[in-house]
Amino acid sequence: DSGVTQTPKHLITATGQRVTLRCSPRSGDLSVYWYQQSLDQGLQFLIQYYNGEERAKGNILERFSAQQFPDLHSELNLSSLELGDSALYFCASSVDGQGDYGYTFGSGTRLTVV
Amino acid sequence: EDQVTQSPEALRLQEGESSSLNCSYTVSGLRGLFWYRQDPGKGPEFLFTLYSAGEEKEKERLKATLTKKESFLHITAPKPEDSATYLCAVQAPSGGSYIPTFGRGTSLIVHP
Repeated sequence: DSGVTQTPKHLITATGQRVTLRCSPRSGDLSVYWYQQSLDQGLQFLIQYYNGEERAKGNILERFSAQQFPDLHSELNLSSLELGDSALYFCASSVDGQGDYGYTFGSGTRLTVV
Repeated sequence: EDQVTQSPEALRLQEGESSSLNCSYTVSGLRGLFWYRQDPGKGPEFLFTLYSAGEEKEKERLKATLTKKESFLHITAPKPEDSATYLCAVQAPSGGSYIPTFGRGTSLIVHP
């Protein structure tokens, strides 16, 4: 157990639908990072939050959004889902906003869009 | 644009057969280079962080080294339980933060 908790572990939904993925960072970590991992793309950075504020943005689609709440858990919202959104979504956390002490990953949410 | 290239894409070894995995990078302002291990269907598990050329880190059968252009992960006398995908990531400035950019990984299979 890495200390980073992601729910749900698996999600199957239809095209056009909206889903929410949840991440609780490791105790004491203030920063959360979201990554998408597909077979043909590897781990792609989506977005980072630090202590409730958006800190950095990667290749995140406009259909996707995220937020970090006062208790530091984060949610990634995916809407108007397409078949190509099927992937593993990982959350990672770090103590600070710069990852100076490394990044700890959760076990991921496997999203299947049918 | 920051680039991280890992080679080979896949590697099959016999138990006890030592080898090395390569991670080459082009990045402006490298802050750190990370190695992770990922088992199928699981999240990446941290192995090492390297910060400067010439630095080396060891853990059991694994040793990571860093130069100004690449990093190697040396695996000495591997065992079947070392089978996994090994990911390299470089940490570089991105706006006001530092974001790790990952390579696609090397899939290692160690046969008994």
